[in-house]
Amino acid sequence: EPEVTQTPSHQVTQMGQEVILRCVPISNHLYFYWYRQILGQKVEFLVSFYNNEISEKSEIFDDQFSVERPDGSNFTLKIRSTKLEDSAMYFCASSLHRTGDRPQHFGDGTRLSIL
Amino acid sequence: AQSVTQPDIHITVSEGASLELRCNYSYGATPYLFWYVQSPGQGLQLLLKYFSGDTLVQGIKGFEAEFKRSQSSFNLRKPSVHWSDAAEYFCAVGARGGADGLTFGKGTHLIIQP
Repeated sequence: EPEVTQTPSHQVTQMGQEVILRCVPISNHLYFYWYRQILGQKVEFLVSFYNNEISEKSEIFDDQFSVERPDGSNFTLKIRSTKLEDSAMYFCASSLHRTGDRPQHFGDGTRLSIL
Repeated sequence: AQSVTQPDIHITVSEGASLELRCNYSYGATPYLFWYVQSPGQGLQLLLKYFSGDTLVQGIKGFEAEFKRSQSSFNLRKPSVHWSDAAEYFCAVGARGGADGLTFGKGTHLIIQP
């Protein structure tokens, strides 16, 4: 079964540094998403992306965050100047359509640790 | 805006016993409903989904869930749990024709006793 793959599995970064988290969505999917899960808390929606532009973003997704689909397969999340509170598990997801009869499929996540 | 409540933070069940995990949602219309499972160090795996039609939905690994509109609930059940079912279970809501992002509950941690 096709999978969403995320790299790296664990990223350690100094506070204030930029970090890029990478995702390869399922190949025929059209919608892409980033979520985060702070340790011990629930999974929270960050942003959705369709047709090379942001479709929707949450209040968490402020100016320090950006997303990009640099080529036909990768989908990236960039955090410009990391803060301690950015430490979390970041999940990428993809779906064939918007949430509906085609559910979102999640990757295994990237654990981001900010020192 | 929609919301999801999973009232049980932890549940302990003996292996072979039945299981029910509770999920209540708040949404103005009939939502899309999902259950995901997260094993330690792993991502979120879709167990089952409800979109419309039959209110009892079957999923993978022997799980099922029942949508009850009158109770705004979507409880997850399994007749006989296995030790490998120990994991974190998340209920999630998606809006019809609305927001892209899923809204998740806080999760229920399932512990299986031998």
